Amino acid sequence: DTAVSQTPKYLVTQMGNDKSIKCEQNLGHDTMYWYKQDSKKFLKIMFSYNNKELIINETVPNRFSPKSPDKAHLNLHINSLELGDSAVYFCASSPTGLEAETQYFGPGTRLLVL
Amino acid sequence: LAKTTQPISMDSYEGQEVNITCSHNNIATNDYITWYQQFPSQGPRFIIQGYKTKVTNEVASLFIPADRKSSTLSLPRVSLSDTAVYYCLVVSNTNAGKSTFGDGTTLTVKP
Repeated sequence: DTAVSQTPKYLVTQMGNDKSIKCEQNLGHDTMYWYKQDSKKFLKIMFSYNNKELIINETVPNRFSPKSPDKAHLNLHINSLELGDSAVYFCASSPTGLEAETQYFGPGTRLLVL
Repeated sequence: LAKTTQPISMDSYEGQEVNITCSHNNIATNDYITWYQQFPSQGPRFIIQGYKTKVTNEVASLFIPADRKSSTLSLPRVSLSDTAVYYCLVVSNTNAGKSTFGDGTTLTVKP
């Protein structure tokens, strides 16, 4: 029943580790996004993919590598984790990727880097 | 992207009507105004979208004056469960999605 799902919900790890967050949507949408929300609640877009192709890359460090095996999935792999990567990461999807479309968000993955 | 400005926080009491105003002086012809709601520990959720005048749905109303340089989200008779962060976005209906959420307004509803 869940429209946009993310795993894991919580992720606690040490600096320098590599971790992945998975996202799946069952809405049949063509476009998926990753957002980062820091401790001040500022929500910033990181990437968007349309039909498995990268559309937006908002100057995110290359330690972050999104991968879209199909249009229903967009995973986020993070290498060499740093303290500043601690945040909540939200996945979202929208029908075709137009800015004015409603975006449907997942529940978020809370990442804490120690 | 048109930058938006909204109050950082607002307090209200149960049963009151709450109006949250958003300024977007540089809004363009192809831009729409969209509001999202984010409860603690959840992702943002779409509330309402409009282009001009007034839009109403089962959750809220959105008032947009003729010059479209501001908009007001109106929540009728709020309850404790309306405590959330409310984000005002200006979004284009021609460009690829690059939505900027800004700081949002933290609404606290008290009993």
